[in-house]
Amino acid sequence: DAGITQSPRHKVTETGTPVTLRCHQTENHRYMYWYRQDPGHGLRLIHYSYGVKDTDKGEVSDGYSVSRSKTEDFLLTLESATSSQTSVYFCAISEPAATSTDTQYFGPGTRLTVL
Amino acid sequence: SQQGEEDPQALSIQEGENATMNCSYKTSINNLQWYRQNSGRGLVHLILIRSNEREKHSGRLRVTLDTSKKSSSLLITASRAADTASYFCATDATSGSRLTFGEGTQLTVNP
Repeated sequence: DAGITQSPRHKVTETGTPVTLRCHQTENHRYMYWYRQDPGHGLRLIHYSYGVKDTDKGEVSDGYSVSRSKTEDFLLTLESATSSQTSVYFCAISEPAATSTDTQYFGPGTRLTVL
Repeated sequence: SQQGEEDPQALSIQEGENATMNCSYKTSINNLQWYRQNSGRGLVHLILIRSNEREKHSGRLRVTLDTSKKSSSLLITASRAADTASYFCATDATSGSRLTFGEGTQLTVNP
């Protein structure tokens, strides 16, 4: 988890409220990712970023938006949280230019419960 | 849908035994990676094998790749209780899509 922090680590919220999760890195990696992890589904990509202000959708992007105004920060927003978005959310980073691979490094996760 | 599928879903062994986990995937890949996740933590990269490699070692880990069968195996030798974790394979497809993870194998090593 070194070099990657997520906040908050735990959050309980109510259906219909907006929620923002923050990922912060100190590694200066270009790529940042948001995943959700659910039993029976493994790890699924929500959105990713390949540079400041450059983002793209992943496999399960509906209901989520992201922003990246600085290299070190990647925000995930649930505009109106639903119970189906109860999950553990992981941020990851990678620097393919340095390794010529997409080896990713993960944060500690945020456990989100939507009541 | 998941690109990689691990088998078995769960594995329970005694300390000192070897543990073998398998991963099958569907499309052509640049490389395949294995990650470990301890309970309540993020994933940690273990080892990467490129599509032109057949076997790779790192400490007690041995990974094989058979691109003709679209499968990989992860062998952990002389397992320890500290190896208890979930293990995921992840494929880096030649199509340019992002890294795709399987659902993982839950390994329990009993002392």
